[in-house]
Amino acid sequence: AQKITQTQPGMFVQEKEAVTLDCTYDTSDQSYGLFWYKQPSSGEMIFLIYQGSYDEQNATEGRYSLNFQKARKSANLVISASQLGDSAMYFCAMKNNFNKFYFGSGTKLNVKP
Amino acid sequence: DAMVIQNPRYQVTQFGKPVTLSCSQTLNHNVMYWYQQKSSQAPKLLFHYYDKDFNNEADTPDNFQSRRPNTSFCFLDIRSPGLGDAAMYLCATSRDGRVDTEAFFGQGTRLTVV
Repeated sequence: AQKITQTQPGMFVQEKEAVTLDCTYDTSDQSYGLFWYKQPSSGEMIFLIYQGSYDEQNATEGRYSLNFQKARKSANLVISASQLGDSAMYFCAMKNNFNKFYFGSGTKLNVKP
Repeated sequence: DAMVIQNPRYQVTQFGKPVTLSCSQTLNHNVMYWYQQKSSQAPKLLFHYYDKDFNNEADTPDNFQSRRPNTSFCFLDIRSPGLGDAAMYLCATSRDGRVDTEAFFGQGTRLTVV
């Protein structure tokens, strides 16, 4: 069974600073995908970034980067130059070969001006 | 724009009265998912379809059923809603079963049970 763990229920960051949101996962699958989603207070889930289990380089998408450490089974999200609009819930998710997406419990990020 | 649309955005139902939530997609994706998300919790996978193949999660209560009459539409039926079923219900799609294809979400239906 897959399990996604996000140990930070809430985080604060000063505007313009970088922040790291932690995610660890547990799977016996060899092939899997790791995703981060942002959920603002309005409720929609917004895809941010993807990392494949076989990817050797860390994924980057604009201000988002994923610090992937396969041996440690961690896939931390780094947001650089935080903006007030980054305040939201952030979910780490894993997709397996059986089409299933499993989500962690989320981290609520608050960006302070 | 191609998207995932959930109707209604807000649904109030009576305890024990059957309710149906709907989801449509214009993405022509093969996979459709239903998630239940309670306040400040992770979205919980209820079931998913790959085309017409239905896949139920082992811990999804029998009270929850789903139908996918065609590629574009998927329905979540709650046969006898209890107070504990009040939650946000999220529909999502994915192009296929590859691990590198992301899920696209609708805006959700917030269900209140009175």
